[in-house]
Amino acid sequence: QLRLQESGPGMVKPSETLSLTCNVSGDSISGSSSLWGWVRKSPGKGLEWIGSVYSSGVVYYNPSLNSRVSMSVDTSKNQFSLNLQSMTAADTAIYYCARHREYGGLFLDYWGQGTLVTASS
Amino acid sequence: QSVLTQPPSVSGAPGQRVTISCSGSSSNIGSSYVYWYQQLPGTAPKLLIYRNRQRPSGVPDRFSGSISGTSASLAISGLRSEDEADYYCAAWDDRLTGVFGGGTRLSVL
Repeated sequence: QLRLQESGPGMVKPSETLSLTCNVSGDSISGSSSLWGWVRKSPGKGLEWIGSVYSSGVVYYNPSLNSRVSMSVDTSKNQFSLNLQSMTAADTAIYYCARHREYGGLFLDYWGQGTLVTASS
Repeated sequence: QSVLTQPPSVSGAPGQRVTISCSGSSSNIGSSYVYWYQQLPGTAPKLLIYRNRQRPSGVPDRFSGSISGTSASLAISGLRSEDEADYYCAAWDDRLTGVFGGGTRLSVL
């Protein structure tokens, strides 16, 4: 059974960089043809796709966040990561990692439980 | 404002059938598959429908998806109290980005 688990700080100061990691168990990131993605849900708003990354390192980002976001994969640890720079209050959200089955469709079949991140001084 | 448009809320009585609409454009729904997600309170989203109308293993056949042009719909028949949740449609956009609808809150009266 595939499982994903997010980890990272629950609070980040405005203007600083958020770093989250998603640990994957039950499947090998390097052996998978899937992408690995991040989605967030801000208070009172809907879901927002942040971006996805292949195990090769090829990345796709939401254009609205492209200038501030970066993603990477560590196949030795079977995990992938999200960095979001210049955090503001508007970035306060629950951040989810998910398996993204195929490029060209928002096919997210396994999700982590989510981690709440608050941007506050 | 979301790229895909959903009604903010729908409601129905137990046993009834409800539909949730999702309106997009030729650059998203009109050119890619539609996916539906269910988010129960306090939990992560769950894939409900993939590739317009396919159900993952374990999803009851009370849930069905359809598509027509640049719009999609999710139908839920035999409504149950446990169906009370937020529902999101999603698609891929020609701008090389994933897009979600704003979400629809389903209330079971």
